[in-house]
Amino acid sequence: QKEVEQNSGPLSVPEGAIASLNCTYSDRGSQSFFWYRQYSGKSPELIMFIYSNGDKEDGRFTAQLNKASQYVSLLIRDSQPSDSATYLCAVTDNYGQNFVFGPGTRLSVLP
Amino acid sequence: DTGVSQNPRHKITKRGQNVTFRCDPISEHNRLYWYRQTLGQGPEFLTYFQNEAQLEKSRLLSDRFSAERPKGSFSTLEIQRTEQGDSAMYLCASSYTGDSPLHFGNGTRLTVT
Repeated sequence: QKEVEQNSGPLSVPEGAIASLNCTYSDRGSQSFFWYRQYSGKSPELIMFIYSNGDKEDGRFTAQLNKASQYVSLLIRDSQPSDSATYLCAVTDNYGQNFVFGPGTRLSVLP
Repeated sequence: DTGVSQNPRHKITKRGQNVTFRCDPISEHNRLYWYRQTLGQGPEFLTYFQNEAQLEKSRLLSDRFSAERPKGSFSTLEIQRTEQGDSAMYLCASSYTGDSPLHFGNGTRLTVT
């Protein structure tokens, strides 16, 4: 059974701080990794994706991938109250055909 | 391009009734996925299509669930003899290729009373 694990939270950070969200996955053959943000009652929206080991930066967001440790993370710099949401980690299988989602981490940015 | 469209947005039905949901993917996307999400959980995979072919179906999906994608365009998800445990948000997503990001519709929230 392919699994994606995340701490459910809530993770609380003060406004302006760095929020660090973590995800581990069980399928060593996984190829592609995605972070989605989901506001309450809304559908997931894509934040970032990463395919290769290392860091990928996009504005205030940085995704980090370590395939050897089967670990992917998302850093949010200068956190804003509007970043308060559930963050979902998704991983494809080694054929790139199916997306498995973690349970999500609830982030709360305190003004 | 208006994104992935799902209808209806909300559906309330009585236990034992059949319901059908529709999803219109982004036009150039070949792949179409159905997920189910309950409160506090991540999206749970149900099935996906490559064009009109249904390539994988979750073992969690009972025979009361069926999905189609005629002509590789829109898709429908039907649930027969609904049960209270079917109450959830049903999400449709599409992608251009297998490892391209998924783009989600707004979802259909099903309530079975």
